[in-house]
Amino acid sequence: EVQVLESGGGLVQPGGSLRLSCATSGFTFSSYAMTWVRQAPGKGLEWVSVISAGGGSLYFADSVKGRFTISRDNSKNTLYLQMNSLRGEDTAVYYCAKSSSSWSPNDAFDIWGRGTMVTVSS
Amino acid sequence: QSVLTQPPSVSGAPGQRVTISCTGSSSNIGAGYDVHWYQQLPGTAPKLLIYAYINRPSGVPHRFSGSKSGTSASLAITGLQAEDEADYYCQSYDSSLSGSVFGGGTKLTVL
Repeated sequence: EVQVLESGGGLVQPGGSLRLSCATSGFTFSSYAMTWVRQAPGKGLEWVSVISAGGGSLYFADSVKGRFTISRDNSKNTLYLQMNSLRGEDTAVYYCAKSSSSWSPNDAFDIWGRGTMVTVSS
Repeated sequence: QSVLTQPPSVSGAPGQRVTISCTGSSSNIGAGYDVHWYQQLPGTAPKLLIYAYINRPSGVPHRFSGSKSGTSASLAITGLQAEDEADYYCQSYDSSLSGSVFGGGTKLTVL
């Protein structure tokens, strides 16, 4: 069974840092690009970042560029999102999603985790 | 304001047909990039419903279908059922932003 499980969310003060993890199983992790998508409370979906299957291509939404970093460990089938200089507007559920190919900017996201909540507040 | 524009809400009675539009521009849908659709049931994660405009992943009922016209895409749901009540999102790629973009979402209410 294909599984994607996010962890690492929690309450953090403005300006703080947090590292999210996404553990996967049931598919060949190293063959697929992976994506982070977030959803603020009561709001719509916002694409955050994508990393290619091999990790050589990374892209970020303008809203997080320079503050967030995406990485992956293909030996551990795990995706990461390092979030620095956090702001109140980063408060959201963060979803990890599998892309439908190794790398295409126009991929669909075919497997989603349940998400992990990040709250930025003093 | 989302790059892809969707109606905030649509509604229909059980058994009826509803459509949800997704309007883009020359840097996304109009540039030839595919549109994908997601269903988000209350309190759950999004689920891929339609990919590359018209394709259904395994397990998605044939009641759900997609289409494209110019710089817009549409999701149609026929034979509405109470379990279809959810938020629906379109997604594509935008070359000006160099990233994926979502529509603002459409809340479907089954009357």
